[in-house]
Amino acid sequence: KQEVTQIPAALSVPEGENLVLNCSFTDSAIYNLQWFRQDPGKGLTSLLLIQSSQREQTSGRLNASLDKSSGRSTLYIAASQPGDSATYLCAVEYGNKLVFGAGTILRVKS
Amino acid sequence: NAGVMQNPRHLVRRRGQEARLRCSPMKGHSHVYWYRQLPEEGLKFMVYLQKENIIDESGMPKERFSAEFPKEGPSILRIQQVVRGDSAAYFCASSPPSGSRNEQFFGPGTRLTVL
Repeated sequence: KQEVTQIPAALSVPEGENLVLNCSFTDSAIYNLQWFRQDPGKGLTSLLLIQSSQREQTSGRLNASLDKSSGRSTLYIAASQPGDSATYLCAVEYGNKLVFGAGTILRVKS
Repeated sequence: NAGVMQNPRHLVRRRGQEARLRCSPMKGHSHVYWYRQLPEEGLKFMVYLQKENIIDESGMPKERFSAEFPKEGPSILRIQQVVRGDSAAYFCASSPPSGSRNEQFFGPGTRLTVL
């Protein structure tokens, strides 16, 4: 069964801290992995996509890594800001569909 | 280049009515996906369509739900005889034509409330 798990479920940090969000998946036969951000009552914003052949992707203060063999990905956020507060979703592509984790709710306190 | 568009953004229906949700993919995208986010749950895949074809409907409930993506016009997710358990946010995503694995870009969602 294809399952995606995200840890922690919620995280509260003071502004300026570096932080890591974790994602694990049970089936390593993935096409790619995407990290999304979702604000309350809003849609999903794609942050980073890592192809199955890649090890990491970077965009600004965000860095995502992928270890396909161990079924893990991490999203690293540097110098967190209050505007980073949102739910972060990890999604793994299998064939035609994305399988989502339950998300990590991040709160950055000013 | 407009993103994925969904309408309506909010839809209220009484039990037994029909709900029609529309999705216009990004320009140049020919693949459409529908996902459902139930309250306090994660997003779940429902169906994947290309123009005039349903490719994968493994996540669609067996009854009352249908989807189409006609040659012209938006993709439609149709829910017949809605029940309270259908209340959820329905998201549409699109991706470019096949050739390489590409990102799925999501619309803002339609929030369906069944009274």
